[in-house]
Amino acid sequence: AQSVTQLDSQVPVFEEAPVELRCNYSSSVSVYLFWYVQYPNQGLQLLLKYLSGSTLVESINGFEAEFNKSQTSFHLRKPSVHISDTAEYFCAVRGSGGSYIPTFGRGTSLIVHP
Amino acid sequence: GAGVSQSPSNKVTEKGKDVELRCDPISGHTALYWYRQSLGQGLEFLIYFQGNSAPDKSGLPSDRFSAERTGGSVSTLTIQRTQQEDSAVYLCASSYPNGYEQYFGPGTRLTVT
Repeated sequence: AQSVTQLDSQVPVFEEAPVELRCNYSSSVSVYLFWYVQYPNQGLQLLLKYLSGSTLVESINGFEAEFNKSQTSFHLRKPSVHISDTAEYFCAVRGSGGSYIPTFGRGTSLIVHP
Repeated sequence: GAGVSQSPSNKVTEKGKDVELRCDPISGHTALYWYRQSLGQGLEFLIYFQGNSAPDKSGLPSDRFSAERTGGSVSTLTIQRTQQEDSAVYLCASSYPNGYEQYFGPGTRLTVT
């Protein structure tokens, strides 16, 4: 079984400032890791994923996340946020074999202020 | 192409009534998932379909909840004798077999009064 902890329920930040959304997981097997974003009144959209290979993964809109196996973390970062990045962000983990069902964290609400 | 669709988008029902929520996955996606999203609680897994069979129903919270999928496509989540604690957003997602990425619908917001 896996579990995901998103330590921050809400992260307020000013526009153009850097941001880090934290995600820690626990698992007894190798994992795949995901970040999803949910804009108001919409479903979740995949932002980026780690399956294997390079531990640093990037999205097309400037977010990146680094898989750190020793710290069992997959923190999401962006060097300069925009108002439009205001959304709920969910970290998810899935075992790399067997179960196809990911476990989601409780979400972090990113609030970007002008 | 068309994404995952869900209907209705909003549903208000009286306590004790039955409701049906519908999910239309992306064509070709054989895997289908139902989740419940309550305020501040993240996503709670309910049930997973591979084709028409449901190998994992472990997340259904009570026997008032059931789901079916016909023709390997549309799925219906039924909640009988609704309770106020059933109020939440119900999300459906689909993916290819063994797919890593799930594609989510916009959800159905259920309010039980």
